[in-house]
Amino acid sequence: QSALTQPASVSGSPGQSITISCTGTSSDVGGYNYVSWYQQHPGKAPKLMIYDVSNRPSGVSNRFSGSKSGNTASLTISGLQAEDEANYYCRSHTNRSSLGVFGGGTKLTVL
Amino acid sequence: EVQLVESGGGLVQPGESLTLSCAASGFFFRSNWMSWVRQAPGKGLEWVANIKQDGSEKYYVDSVKGRFTISRDNAKNSLYLQMNSLRAEDTATYYCARDLPTLGGAFDQWGQGTLVSVSS
Repeated sequence: QSALTQPASVSGSPGQSITISCTGTSSDVGGYNYVSWYQQHPGKAPKLMIYDVSNRPSGVSNRFSGSKSGNTASLTISGLQAEDEANYYCRSHTNRSSLGVFGGGTKLTVL
Repeated sequence: EVQLVESGGGLVQPGESLTLSCAASGFFFRSNWMSWVRQAPGKGLEWVANIKQDGSEKYYVDSVKGRFTISRDNAKNSLYLQMNSLRAEDTATYYCARDLPTLGGAFDQWGQGTLVSVSS
């Protein structure tokens, strides 16, 4: 069982907005502003989309945004596009381990 | 262009050893923490180990402590993962990843991965 809880799947139509949640505890998500999000297409390596809760790396579309409230972090994708269909993973720093913890992943389907 | 290229994966029997390598290029390798992250078939991501820029600090997930050793050769721009006493549950694609230079520890560059299969 993953340390961070994500919904197994979410879906949306092209042009819509969706939000993926990532729920942890005060030992990880709630205690630090160190949540990152990764996009992974089948058979490909993960790609960093958001770091430190809400920062976008250079080259990542501004349709992707991150936020946090309490022990839950969220990734919002606006203006959904077909190429956004992928698995998304959150990751957080934790005080329970020298290494961070990942969420179980969320499969995004663009209808 | 930043590139991370893993090699060394393959099929081994339980109890055997394997060493993975990651060749880095396109950035100042010795400036970054580096990590190994794995993904079992059809499963999620798991941070396996990371290593400080000069190799003086190393951290491991509990399930590999005492069996895996992470190392680096900054002169060769290379990262390694020595894996001993391999188990079936170590079967996964292993990714080499560059740690973003922030306290948060995000991975901003990934290799294409190398598959390790442990089976009799």
